Amino acid sequence: DGGITQSPKYLFRKEGQNVTLSCEQNLNHDAMYWYRQDPGQGLRLIYYSQIVNDFQKGDIAEGYSVSREKKESFPLTVTSAQKNPTAFYLCASSMDRITGELFFGEGSRLTVL
Amino acid sequence: AQTVTQSQPEMSVQEAETVTLSCTYDTSESNYYLFWYKQPPSRQMILVIRQEAYKQQNATENRFSVNFQKAAKSFSLKISDSQLGDTAMYFCAFMKLWAGGNKLVFGAGTILRVKS
Repeated sequence: DGGITQSPKYLFRKEGQNVTLSCEQNLNHDAMYWYRQDPGQGLRLIYYSQIVNDFQKGDIAEGYSVSREKKESFPLTVTSAQKNPTAFYLCASSMDRITGELFFGEGSRLTVL
Repeated sequence: AQTVTQSQPEMSVQEAETVTLSCTYDTSESNYYLFWYKQPPSRQMILVIRQEAYKQQNATENRFSVNFQKAAKSFSLKISDSQLGDTAMYFCAFMKLWAGGNKLVFGAGTILRVKS
């Protein structure tokens, strides 16, 4: 089945450790996105990529890094510089800029102890 | 910058009844898209309905319809014949037509509980 796979679903880390969240899609979509979800704040854009080997910062990129070496993959690294990393992270992809529809993964819950 | 406001943090409705979720947005753009996304307890976001700003006709998808008031910058979602499976968090989202990609701005969400 076509879709977006995020892993792991749950992740616990100690303060000061970098962690990488995986996002893989088999929808053949060009664009991919990372959103952060916090209670009462909706979704906020961290990074996005429209094409392989290119990505741009979103609204809250500080403390995060990404790569886009393959069309199917868009991993997100939460670095130790991110001051409040505990959150729910959603990866999404879209086919084009016209319809605007985003397809989402099931999310990854990161808890920093 | 665009902002999206959902003024109802939580709502509840009896099964089979109708409920309306509110959304207002702020933008100086004339061409844009508006969306309602649903996030059930499984946490996976699902597109419910989409409205293009240049279309005057309100979008409908089965039991879901919108009331798009462009001048008032209002975009409410009406759910008819509510079902238990409609229980979810609902997000209103805005996207301007822009060559830089589909950057959506989301509201804070409304939790909808459908009661039997």
